[in-house]
Amino acid sequence: KAGVTQTPRYLIKTRGQQVTLSCSPISGHRSVSWYQQTPGQGLQFLFEYFSETQRNKGNFPGRFSGRQFSNSRSEMNVSTLELGDSALYLCASSLLASGDNEQFFGPGTRLTVL
Amino acid sequence: DQQVKQNSPSLSVQEGRISILNCDYTNSMFDYFLWYKKYPAEGPTFLISISSIKDKNEDGRFTVFLNKSAKHLSLHIVPSQPGDSAVYFCAASRGENKLIFGTGTLLAVQP
Repeated sequence: KAGVTQTPRYLIKTRGQQVTLSCSPISGHRSVSWYQQTPGQGLQFLFEYFSETQRNKGNFPGRFSGRQFSNSRSEMNVSTLELGDSALYLCASSLLASGDNEQFFGPGTRLTVL
Repeated sequence: DQQVKQNSPSLSVQEGRISILNCDYTNSMFDYFLWYKKYPAEGPTFLISISSIKDKNEDGRFTVFLNKSAKHLSLHIVPSQPGDSAVYFCAASRGENKLIFGTGTLLAVQP
């Protein structure tokens, strides 16, 4: 069974631009969560989608948004990029929405904002 | 407010010995705990998990212990191998797929 895939793997943008990252979960998984990893803040939860509905949202500004499609693929968008948005963005998929199951992570998208 | 803490930033052990990684949490509502291994610029790899209704879970060389009264969990790796060298994160959740991660412990297994 294929794992979680994320595209692109690397991205360089300039301040003020917007970016869209994509995530394809493990086949059969309906929950997709997004996390941001930075040296200063560690791994932080952004949001979770299950069956095309956002179920949870972390403490990030409204510039960070996402969506999920009927095939469970998910995208996240960051508008008006800031230097501090430079990070590794990770997507995780899981079978259930209940929390008592494993989340499997993709390789991440490394975003650099200049 | 750091709800999940890993107080040891790094740990060094000899190959073949036991590695013990520790994690403390403050929120008594957490009911599911996970350990992940991570290499730089890669996604975390799931290792082992434990529900709050258990106090121990084993999977091969990995064992996780949960002490709910102390709000403490630990990951034991026996025997440690050089390939285990990585950053280890503990994470917790409470009835939903929102993981709260600790700050990580860098494990170095010396040959």
